[in-house]
Amino acid sequence: ETGVTQSPTHLIKTRGQQVTLRCSSQSGHNTVSWYQQALGQGPQFIFQYYREEENGRGNFPPRFSGLQFPNYSSELNVNALELDDSALYLCASSPSLSAGELFFGEGSRLTVL
Amino acid sequence: GENVEQHPSTLSVQEGDSAVIKCTYSDSASNYFPWYKQELGKGPQLIIDIRSNVGEKKDQRIAVTLNKTAKHFSLHITETQPEDSAVYFCAASSNNAGNMLTFGGGTRLMVKP
Repeated sequence: ETGVTQSPTHLIKTRGQQVTLRCSSQSGHNTVSWYQQALGQGPQFIFQYYREEENGRGNFPPRFSGLQFPNYSSELNVNALELDDSALYLCASSPSLSAGELFFGEGSRLTVL
Repeated sequence: GENVEQHPSTLSVQEGDSAVIKCTYSDSASNYFPWYKQELGKGPQLIIDIRSNVGEKKDQRIAVTLNKTAKHFSLHITETQPEDSAVYFCAASSNNAGNMLTFGGGTRLMVKP
């Protein structure tokens, strides 16, 4: 059983640019969440997708957007990058909305210069 | 919204000793409280969780206690081993599942051999 995979693992962007991060959920999982983890802090909830629809959103501006595809893989897009967007972006999948455990990928480390 | 505070931020123990990490939460509607372990370069991994209808849960060397009245919950690790060294995060949600979690700031546990 393949776990949650994310790409790219590391990337560097400059302020004002746009970035797309990708996530393949674990087999059989229809729910995907994205979290932002700044250095030395806990993950912060960005949004969640269930069956291709946004199902919940944290306190992030609209320049953070996402997609979930029919195979339940997902993308996180961030427009107009700011220095404070530098962080580890974690994708997590779960088999349903009522499941407890989230299965996290290893993350995409974004550096904004 | 929910706010989760976690203490201490760092904890150093001798191998074989016990470790206790404490969290408080603000939203009385929160009903699901997981604990995640994050090793260097990896995503968080669930180690134990508890729902609000239970006061205590144990799994081998790990236990979690919940005091709903005081709005705090704690992680107890007994007979610590060097491989327990990692960052531990508590979290809370109000949908009785692992969706839209609010994480604490993390505790770096170091177990000295």
